[in-house]
Amino acid sequence: GQQVMQIPQYQHVQEGEDFTTYCNSSTTLSNIQWYKQRPGGHPVFLIQLVKSGEVKKQKRLTFQFGEAKKNSSLHITATQTTDVGTYFCAGGRTFNKFYFGSGTKLNVKP
Amino acid sequence: DSGVTQTPKHLITATGQRVTLRCSPRSGDLSVYWYQQSLDQGLQFLIQYYNGEERAKGNILERFSAQQFPDLHSELNLSSLELGDSALYFCASSVFPGNEQFFGPGTRLTVL
Repeated sequence: GQQVMQIPQYQHVQEGEDFTTYCNSSTTLSNIQWYKQRPGGHPVFLIQLVKSGEVKKQKRLTFQFGEAKKNSSLHITATQTTDVGTYFCAGGRTFNKFYFGSGTKLNVKP
Repeated sequence: DSGVTQTPKHLITATGQRVTLRCSPRSGDLSVYWYQQSLDQGLQFLIQYYNGEERAKGNILERFSAQQFPDLHSELNLSSLELGDSALYFCASSVFPGNEQFFGPGTRLTVL
């Protein structure tokens, strides 16, 4: 079945360092969404990318969708302790069924 | 607060039992999704409904079933429970399939 792979599984950074998580699919995705889940919380929608090669920014966060629409990345510049949590990508070949990646757990040391 | 409500918040039951989890989507959202999250694991998509009809099925066990009612609330029924069914069950809703999903706070199920 379709899978969305996400790496790395864990990332520990010092506050102020950058962080990147990658999402890969074996099939072309219709779109990709990114979510953040704080410890003990529920996933919260961050952004959706639809177009091939699309790049979107939200303050210190930069999201990219690959040209072939098979991969995506989330980059955080100068991490802060408030960035702690698990970041999930979610994508699917159709809009009906989204597969979540396994997530990247980010820990930021002050 | 996402606007999605889930009840109960916690559920403790025994193996072999049956439970029902309830979800009320955000006002105006027609799509409801159910996910299972085991300890420190990713989100496993179970099933999706749109305006009362099943739209997509993920890795949902035969012991599990769900439905979406005319008022758009949804219920997830888990039967013949096993220890491995212990997990956090999230409901999410969106206006249409493929739109951003708003997650509820989850129901934590513990099977003893």
